[in-house]
Amino acid sequence: NAGVMQNPRHLVRRRGQEARLRCSPMKGHSHVYWYRQLPEEGLKFMVYLQKENIIDESGMPKERFSAEFPKEGPSILRIQQVVRGDSAAYFCASSPVGAQRPHNEQFFGPGTRLTVL
Amino acid sequence: AQSVTQLGSHVSVSEGALVLLRCNYSSSVPPYLFWYVQYPNQGLQLLLKYTSAATLVKGINGFEAEFKKSETSFHLTKPSAHMSDAAEYFCAVTRGSGGSNYKLTFGKGTLLTVNP
Repeated sequence: NAGVMQNPRHLVRRRGQEARLRCSPMKGHSHVYWYRQLPEEGLKFMVYLQKENIIDESGMPKERFSAEFPKEGPSILRIQQVVRGDSAAYFCASSPVGAQRPHNEQFFGPGTRLTVL
Repeated sequence: AQSVTQLGSHVSVSEGALVLLRCNYSSSVPPYLFWYVQYPNQGLQLLLKYTSAATLVKGINGFEAEFKKSETSFHLTKPSAHMSDAAEYFCAVTRGSGGSNYKLTFGKGTLLTVNP
C-alpha cells in the first residue's frame, strides 16, 4: 500500500506566480490535512478537508491561499501571487476516518519544498 | 492553545549510547502527545503516542517516552542508539478531548546524529 504521495517534491516560483501543490492520500483515506513548516519553525496546521468539503481552514492565510479535495483526484493546495515569505515545506497528511475520533493517526507525505525567488 | 518546545535542535550520540530527546509542552486542556520521525526524503512516521492511558509509552524501533504531567514533559528515549536511528524527530501535541483535536502542534524538530 503506497503511502501519502506529494508532488512536486521541490517547486521554484518567482514572486507573483502561482504555486500548485498536490497530495494523493493513502488508499482508502478520505480525510486530508495540510501543514506548513516555515524555516526554523515547527509544522503548523493549515486546513482539514474531506472529499468535496473544507472542514476547518482556520490555519490558512486569509488571502492568496486555497485548498480543495475533489471527488476524484488529489487534494490541491493553491497559492496565488506567491511572495518570498511563502517559501516553506508544505506537508500533507491523511487519515481513514475523521481525525476527531480519539487515537486516530495522521499519515504524512514527504512534503513539497517551495522556494520563491 | 497548545505549544511544544524541543530542547536542542541537534543531538549527537555514539552508536550504543543512550538517546534522550527532550520535549516540553504547554496545554490548557489534557493533551495527547506524539513523537514522529522523519528520515531523509520521506514523510513523518509515527513513533509513539500518549492518549491518557499508561504514562510510559512504548513505540517502534525500541523507543519509549514518559508523560510527566508535573514537569509538562514527554521526553523520548532509547537505551542504545543504532546508526539507523539517525533522522529528524518531531514532538507534537493536540487536545485530548473536544473539537479540533486533529490539529497537531509540532516542535521545531531535533536532528539526531549517530556516530560510529
